[in-house]
Amino acid sequence: EAQVTQNPRYLITVTGKKLTVTCSQNMNHEYMSWYRQDPGLGLRQIYYSMNVEVTDKGDVPEGYKVSRKEKRNFPLILESPSPNQTSLYFCASSAGPPAGPYNEQFFGPGTRLTVL
Amino acid sequence: QKEVEQNSGPLSVPEGAIASLNCTYSDRVSQSFFWYRQYSGKSPELIMSIYSNGDKEDGRFTAQLNKASQYVSLLIRDSQPSDSATYLCAVQGTNDYKLSFGAGTTVTVRA
Repeated sequence: EAQVTQNPRYLITVTGKKLTVTCSQNMNHEYMSWYRQDPGLGLRQIYYSMNVEVTDKGDVPEGYKVSRKEKRNFPLILESPSPNQTSLYFCASSAGPPAGPYNEQFFGPGTRLTVL
Repeated sequence: QKEVEQNSGPLSVPEGAIASLNCTYSDRVSQSFFWYRQYSGKSPELIMSIYSNGDKEDGRFTAQLNKASQYVSLLIRDSQPSDSATYLCAVQGTNDYKLSFGAGTTVTVRA
């Protein structure tokens, strides 16, 4: 089954404790992206990756890191989480940049992160 | 940063009526426009994409784009209770591969 998986689905942590949220897709997609979703603010893009070893900042990259060492995986790293990073996080992938008519983005199930 | 604004809602419509959702964007060079549907507690799913001025119809959904007015809309005809969800407008510019979303409009279809 074609899918985007994220782990963990729920995480409660404390300020400053490094964490990684994993994202994996099995569709051989080149483009992957991380978003956070907050009430009243909608989805905001954190980072995106056009391909292996190619990443770029979205609109809200501060406090986050990503890596793309393999095509299928795109982990999100919070080196020193803070309470303002409490949010719902989505990973997404598509064959190419979302602009193309055949490049529908597929979203993972989401990770709800709480930073105390 | 591109700004995408949607009518705030919530929008309540009776079953069978037309639901009209509006979206404006600030980046004049934006070229690709999308509508996503998100059910409560679920991830967004793409329902419409539109790239050129005019209307695009897909079943009960019609997207309308007016680049001169920097405006894109979504009409849901013959609204059904299963259409009750939050609808997100998303915009992508020409010069980068970032996708900017509006805050969403929550639609409730009353049976």
